[in-house]
Amino acid sequence: QQQVKQSPQSLIVQKGGISIINCAYENTAFDYFPWYQQFPGKGPALLIAIRPDVSEKKEGRFTISFNKSAKQFSLHIMDSQPGDSATYFCAASGWGSARQLTFGSGTQLTVLP
Amino acid sequence: DAGVTQSPTHLIKTRGQQVTLRCSPKSGHDTVSWYQQALGQGPQFIFQYYEEEERQRGNFPDRFSGHQFPNYSSELNVNALLLGDSALYLCASSLMGDRGHGNTIYFGEGSWLTVV
Repeated sequence: QQQVKQSPQSLIVQKGGISIINCAYENTAFDYFPWYQQFPGKGPALLIAIRPDVSEKKEGRFTISFNKSAKQFSLHIMDSQPGDSATYFCAASGWGSARQLTFGSGTQLTVLP
Repeated sequence: DAGVTQSPTHLIKTRGQQVTLRCSPKSGHDTVSWYQQALGQGPQFIFQYYEEEERQRGNFPDRFSGHQFPNYSSELNVNALLLGDSALYLCASSLMGDRGHGNTIYFGEGSWLTVV
């Protein structure tokens, strides 16, 4: 019940295209859903996060869409750039677990120039 | 404003040895969590420290232990190292009770541990 399932495992997008990464969760106690970006050899960097009381959050080219009834959330990267090439992780935590993050398995995004 | 800092950045240990990794949380944060990230996988929660006590623990054996100091910094200790302990060890900091800011959790750059 603690799993977060992430897809696809890898994604190749042309420069200027839209990158979409999907995650699904099972634990209804989760109430915080962040996305992290990780470059090789670096730690994960917080990209954007959402709480379940909203269905969408946008920050620049990055948008999270959240579907509480389906227990799914997704990251959309608009106008994808080669510099966006990295591994993206979705995660989830619940207040009761004091922000113990459960991560998805990651998506390796490659944006072609 | 310093972010989460970890040391050392890389280290190589021999099977059976012990290792200590260190972490200083982001300024203003009081909670430190440790994660293990194996190559090609997502980070896995090891444990969390708040007020110098272990508050939560993931599915890791007792060989993994930790400590938090009064200045909120933390150490991760791993005893009797196994080859499978080779991974990136990440420290994450947050502010307990910071629900108003969306439970923001920041990670350090990690310590790469290789066990040979």
